[in-house]
Amino acid sequence: DVKVTQSSRYLVKRTGEKVFLECVQDMDHENMFWYRQDPGLGLRLIYFSYDVKMKEKGDIPEGYSVSREKKERFSLILESASTNQTSMYLCASSLDWSYEQYFGPGTRLTVT
Amino acid sequence: GESVGLHLPTLSVQEGDNSIINCAYSNSASDYFIWYKQESGKGPQFIIDIRSNMDKRQGQRVTVLLNKTVKHLSLQIAATQPGDSAVYFCAEISYTGNQFYFGTGTSLTVIP
Repeated sequence: DVKVTQSSRYLVKRTGEKVFLECVQDMDHENMFWYRQDPGLGLRLIYFSYDVKMKEKGDIPEGYSVSREKKERFSLILESASTNQTSMYLCASSLDWSYEQYFGPGTRLTVT
Repeated sequence: GESVGLHLPTLSVQEGDNSIINCAYSNSASDYFIWYKQESGKGPQFIIDIRSNMDKRQGQRVTVLLNKTVKHLSLQIAATQPGDSAVYFCAEISYTGNQFYFGTGTSLTVIP
């Protein structure tokens, strides 16, 4: 079974802090994704990566950056956390972008 | 951009009854559709998929129906159980333009 893990289930950070969210998948998937999920808005794509060191902006990349130095790991970085970045963050991976995505358990981030 | 909409944001059913969750999609060129289930505190999980050249696909207790004429997708759950309580959302994938969209979700509550 595909396993996607995220470094934290819950995280509380202060405004202005730099935040790192880590995601690791164990199925050698080419594609990895970062979403945020807010009530009533569904999943919104922040960034995705289709290969090591490759990244593409999603629908809401502002305030975020990503890093993919190894195939199995995809990191989401909040350069200077703000309260409007309080959300559930979900990482996913897929063999190909057109296939189903496998999601991690999510990180609930609160920025105070 | 385009979005995948759901007719009902919430649905309550009696245990043992059948459930039907609907999804309206806007891109008539979408090629592939997926239903995900997201339980409280967890990431979304793949349930069933269907390709645009099919009208119906059955899994274990779940059936997905695709009506391309009216751009409508539905998920039917037979003999709904308490463990089926979750948020269900559909996703559509278009191979042309490499696009995918997620719906906002329907919350299913099973009443014992």
